[in-house]
Amino acid sequence: DTAVSQTPKYLVTQMGNDKSIKCEQNLGHDTMYWYKQDSKKFLKIMFSYNNKELIINETVPNRFSPKSPDKAHLNLHINSLELGDSAVYFCASSQDRLSGTGELFFGEGSRLTVL
Amino acid sequence: GQNIDQPTEMTATEGAIVQINCTYQTSGFNGLFWYQQHAGEAPTFLSYNVLDGLEEKGRFSSFLSRSKGYSYLLLKELQMKDSASYLCAANYKYIFGTGTRLKVLA
Repeated sequence: DTAVSQTPKYLVTQMGNDKSIKCEQNLGHDTMYWYKQDSKKFLKIMFSYNNKELIINETVPNRFSPKSPDKAHLNLHINSLELGDSAVYFCASSQDRLSGTGELFFGEGSRLTVL
Repeated sequence: GQNIDQPTEMTATEGAIVQINCTYQTSGFNGLFWYQQHAGEAPTFLSYNVLDGLEEKGRFSSFLSRSKGYSYLLLKELQMKDSASYLCAANYKYIFGTGTRLKVLA
């Protein structure tokens, strides 16, 4: 069984479109994250939710809207896609909150290409 | 502000020892993680240090000095499969460093 699963794995779309990436974890973790990894491989945190509550929002454009219907799911919706949004988006989960010691478990990543 | 720095790239020979450094400045701190990421894959957990000192785990060891805002990952008996990016991350908002791409040569 996959611990953290993301769909779709690949996404190619035109500028201006709206798209969503879904993430689910079956580890029973309380906290989930979205990271963006650009072409330079820098892994940047975007959002974090703990039990459906937003706890980290790192100056991400408001075109990006996370949604957590329950603690096992964290979806990412992106409006009006731009070329600079092209990246690999990783979902992750951990057992503990910000101050905890839980390691991150990552999904396989979703490669978004905006044309 | 938050800042985590690592060298961009390192090269070493199979069987050798390599040390990858990480310096950090964060508003809060609850420990430091090291992750390994092979090309095209997700990062995977290697180690976690919350107290000063060296943590050893097989061929990999990680060191932390909180007073100096400094950590390193030590890889011994390098193997070709160790060619990957190594990311340090502060357990404060889970911020990652820029990553160090390690190439192991035969």
